[in-house]
Amino acid sequence: AQKITQTQPGMFVQEKEAVTLDCTYDTSDQSYGLFWYKQPSSGEMIFLIYQGSYDEQNATEGRYSLNFQKARKSANLVISASQLGDSAMYFCAMRVGNTGKLIFGQGTTLQVKP
Amino acid sequence: DAGVIQSPRHEVTEMGQEVTLRCKPISGHDYLFWYRQTMMRGLELLIYFNNNVPIDDSGMPEDRFSAKMPNASFSTLKIQPSEPRDSAVYFCASSRRQATNEKLFFGSGTQLSVL
Repeated sequence: AQKITQTQPGMFVQEKEAVTLDCTYDTSDQSYGLFWYKQPSSGEMIFLIYQGSYDEQNATEGRYSLNFQKARKSANLVISASQLGDSAMYFCAMRVGNTGKLIFGQGTTLQVKP
Repeated sequence: DAGVIQSPRHEVTEMGQEVTLRCKPISGHDYLFWYRQTMMRGLELLIYFNNNVPIDDSGMPEDRFSAKMPNASFSTLKIQPSEPRDSAVYFCASSRRQATNEKLFFGSGTQLSVL
């Protein structure tokens, strides 16, 4: 069975500092995609970054990067130079090729302090 | 593109009433997903469709829940009869294909409160 685990219910970070949000996954499939979504207090789900299981390089999107360690089955999100607007819930998710389902972790609430 | 459109944004109803949530996916997207978000259980996949056909409804909590997709541009999630424990945010999402690199686009969600 596929599973996503986010072990940090809540995190604090000082403005302008970097922060890492942890995500581990479990699947026996070789082909899968890993995603991070942001959910601000307004409730919408915003796509941040994607990493494919066959990608050798870590994905980057502006201030977001994904630290992909396949052997450890981890896909941590790194946010550099945190901003107050980064305060939100962050979800790690996995899409497995043979089903097309996107399953989510429990989420991490990030609060950026001024 | 207008994105995934859900209605209503908020729904307050009394226990025992029928509730219908609506979703219009992005044009050209073949996959449609219904999720439920609660504090206790996080984001749960309820059901998803491919080309209007339900593929996996194993996440539907019980027979009170039903979902339909009569055409490529419209889907409904119905709860009958509703119960207070159904209170949650319900999201609809769509994607073009099943591929692992295809992200899902989410609607704004429907906040359901069952009193």
